[in-house]
Amino acid sequence: DARVTQTPRHKVTEMGQEVTMRCQPILGHNTVFWYRQTMMQGLELLAYFRNRAPLDDSGMPKDRFSAEMPDATLATLKIQPSEPRDSAVYFCASGLDLAVDEQYFGPGTRLTVT
Amino acid sequence: QKEVEQNSGPLSVPEGAIASLNCTYSDRGSQSFFWYRQYSGKSPELIMSIYSNGDKEDGRFTAQLNKASQYVSLLIRDSQPSDSATYLCSLGSGAGSYQLTFGKGTKLSVIP
Repeated sequence: DARVTQTPRHKVTEMGQEVTMRCQPILGHNTVFWYRQTMMQGLELLAYFRNRAPLDDSGMPKDRFSAEMPDATLATLKIQPSEPRDSAVYFCASGLDLAVDEQYFGPGTRLTVT
Repeated sequence: QKEVEQNSGPLSVPEGAIASLNCTYSDRGSQSFFWYRQYSGKSPELIMSIYSNGDKEDGRFTAQLNKASQYVSLLIRDSQPSDSATYLCSLGSGAGSYQLTFGKGTKLSVIP
């Protein structure tokens, strides 16, 4: 059963701390997306990769967020320093560029920054 | 800036009825349209995709697209309590872009 996995599932941290979220895309998928979901803003695209190369990260606050794909099986999203307004659910999704619009979501990381 | 508008609901329908969910969008260049279902506390799940004008049926679900009017809808026939969820409309611009834009979703409640 191929699924996107994300760790941790829940994270509570204090303002100013570094947060790292990890995602393992479905094996064979070559596009990876990071989204943030809040009640107010809905689902927002933060960044995405194709074949491990970043294609667009215009949705991310550049001064504190960074996204990387060190290899084809791991994508990371880091926040440093974290702020209370970063509290949200962060989803990773993966897909195939041949079926470019079909994205499969992981279970999400619920982040709370106090 | 691309915008996707949905009525936030909640939309309440009795079990067995037809639920109609609507979505309008601003980007005329959009070429692909999707409906995702999201249960409370869970991740979005793709349930329908549509690329050309008209209707597309899959089981109890029918997606309808009208590019001239810039709207897309989802009909759920014989609604079941298990259909109670938030439905997200999303669109892709195609042309080599992998980016999807999502609406904020319509919450559907099917009353037994």
